[in-house]
Amino acid sequence: EAQVTQNPRYLITVTGKKLTVTCSQNMNHEYMSWYRQDPGLGLRQIYYSMNVEVTDKGDVPEGYKVSRKEKRNFPLILESPSPNQTSLYFCASSSPINSPLHFGNGTRLTVT
Amino acid sequence: TQLLEQSPQFLSIQEGENLTVYCNSSSVFSSLQWYRQEPGEGPVLLVTVVTGGEVKKLKRLTFQFGDARKDSSLHITAAQPGDTGLYLCAANFGNEKLTFGTGTRLTIIP
Repeated sequence: EAQVTQNPRYLITVTGKKLTVTCSQNMNHEYMSWYRQDPGLGLRQIYYSMNVEVTDKGDVPEGYKVSRKEKRNFPLILESPSPNQTSLYFCASSSPINSPLHFGNGTRLTVT
Repeated sequence: TQLLEQSPQFLSIQEGENLTVYCNSSSVFSSLQWYRQEPGEGPVLLVTVVTGGEVKKLKRLTFQFGDARKDSSLHITAAQPGDTGLYLCAANFGNEKLTFGTGTRLTIIP
């Protein structure tokens, strides 16, 4: 089954404790992207990747890192999480770029 | 920064009624996508429209792309409880990015 898989689904952590949210897709898509979803603000793009070893900042990249060492994986890294990063995070992929996005089921992150 | 405005932000109607939600921008889109998101899940694509004036139908859902390519609407006929969800439009303004609207949260009351 074609899918985008994120882990974990839920995560509660404390300020400053590094964490990684994993994202994997099995559709051989070139394009992958991370979004955060907050009430009243919609989906905002954090980072995106056009292909392996190619990543770019989205609209709200501060406090986040990504890597794209393999085509299927696009992890989101929070080196020092802060409470304002409490949000619902989605990973998505598509091919080619600007084609409809396939989304994961989300990761709900709470930073205390 | 291009902005996409969706209206209304919230809509609650009785089962069987009709409704229309809107997606507007001050800039021209090259294409527009509509997604529906249900609680606990990611958004799922409903339709893509690419031609000004285009109308697409998906069962009881009718999608229209404005002639000027700055707006789109989604009309639902005889709404059912299964239509409940967050409806998101997403536009491509001719660059690499897909910009999402803030969404319309629709509740259909049985």
